[in-house]
Amino acid sequence: DAGVTQSPTHLIKTRGQQVTLRCSPKSGHDTVSWYQQALGQGPQFIFQYYEEEERQRGNFPDRFSGHQFPNYSSELNVNALLLGDSALYLCASSLAGTGTEFFGPGTRLTVL
Amino acid sequence: AQTVTQSQPEMSVQEAETVTLSCTYDTSESNYYLFWYKQPPSRQMILVIRQEAYKQQNATENRFSVNFQKAAKSFSLKISDSQLGDTAMYFCAFRLYSTLTFGKGTMLLVSP
Repeated sequence: DAGVTQSPTHLIKTRGQQVTLRCSPKSGHDTVSWYQQALGQGPQFIFQYYEEEERQRGNFPDRFSGHQFPNYSSELNVNALLLGDSALYLCASSLAGTGTEFFGPGTRLTVL
Repeated sequence: AQTVTQSQPEMSVQEAETVTLSCTYDTSESNYYLFWYKQPPSRQMILVIRQEAYKQQNATENRFSVNFQKAAKSFSLKISDSQLGDTAMYFCAFRLYSTLTFGKGTMLLVSP
């Protein structure tokens, strides 16, 4: 039973560029959430997708957008990258109504 | 907005001993979930234990148990018989609806 997977593992971009991160949920899960974890901090909620719709959003600008596909996998897109976007991006999946999320290994994004 | 506070940035314990990590939270809601996650140096966020607010009984998972005090809004984690593999950052998290809010974490170091 595969857990949550994310790609790529690491990514280096320059300011102003755009990036797409990918996530495949744990088998049987239908809900995907994205988090940003800056160095030395706890994860911060970006948004959650369910039934291909953004269900809830945290305090992040519109440069952060996402998508969920019919197979429940998800993408996180960040436009016009800033140095402050450098962080570990975590994807978590859950089965709607269960309240418990399981996390992927994360994508380390470095913006130069 | 909900907040989660972990007042111990770092804790140390010797193998086989017991350690308790503290967490307090602030909310005006009555139905929610509380979690402890651990994040080893490998970065993978791993679920340790979960507590539903409507349950009075404290959750336990093998060597891990919680002391949930709803009126005091306190949710501490006790690790018994500490093992070297327990060395990690531990995050307390609060879930209301779709949003999971994390504390800043407590770094636990288990030494031989």
